[in-house]
Amino acid sequence: KAGVTQTPRYLIKTRGQQVTLSCSPISGHRSVSWYQQTPGQGLQFLFEYFSETQRNKGNFPGRFSGRQFSNSRSEMNVSTLELGDSALYLCASSLTAPGTDTQYFGPGTRLTVL
Amino acid sequence: GNSVTQMEGPVTLSEEAFLTINCTYTATGYPSLFWYVQYPGEGLQLLLKATKADDKGSNKGFEATYRKETTSFHLEKGSVQVSDSAVYFCALRRTGGGADGLTFGKGTHLIIQP
Repeated sequence: KAGVTQTPRYLIKTRGQQVTLSCSPISGHRSVSWYQQTPGQGLQFLFEYFSETQRNKGNFPGRFSGRQFSNSRSEMNVSTLELGDSALYLCASSLTAPGTDTQYFGPGTRLTVL
Repeated sequence: GNSVTQMEGPVTLSEEAFLTINCTYTATGYPSLFWYVQYPGEGLQLLLKATKADDKGSNKGFEATYRKETTSFHLEKGSVQVSDSAVYFCALRRTGGGADGLTFGKGTHLIIQP
């Protein structure tokens, strides 16, 4: 069974631009979560979606948003990019409802903001 | 709130040495506990997990026991290999209704020398 896939793998943007990242969960998985990984702050939870609804949200500004489609694929969007948004963005999927199942991670999208 | 504390390293060992990476946590309720591993340039891979007190998770020679009385989940391996060189993350997640995302420690960089 294919794992979690994320596209693109690498992205370079400039300050003020916006960006959309995509995540395809493991087949049959219905929950998708997003995390930001930086050297300074480590791994931080962004948000989680289940059945096209945001179920949980971490402590990030409103510039960070996401959505989930009926096929469980998810996108996250960051508007008005700042230098500090440079990070590895990881997507994770799990089989069932949030909080009840193990999360499996994709390889991540490396975003560089210049 | 929830938090996870682990040694950051780097931890340098010789091949075939015994490994212990300490992890302690603070959480409300009864969280599930995880160890994830990240190899260079890759996403996170689930190494093992435990969902209740006194459970022992194991995989690929690694073990960790959920100790509620000491709020710990230390990772151990009897004989490490060069291929075990990676960053190891301890994480927790509250379960049930209202559960949020994974809370991670800062990660422990492990270097195994031949």
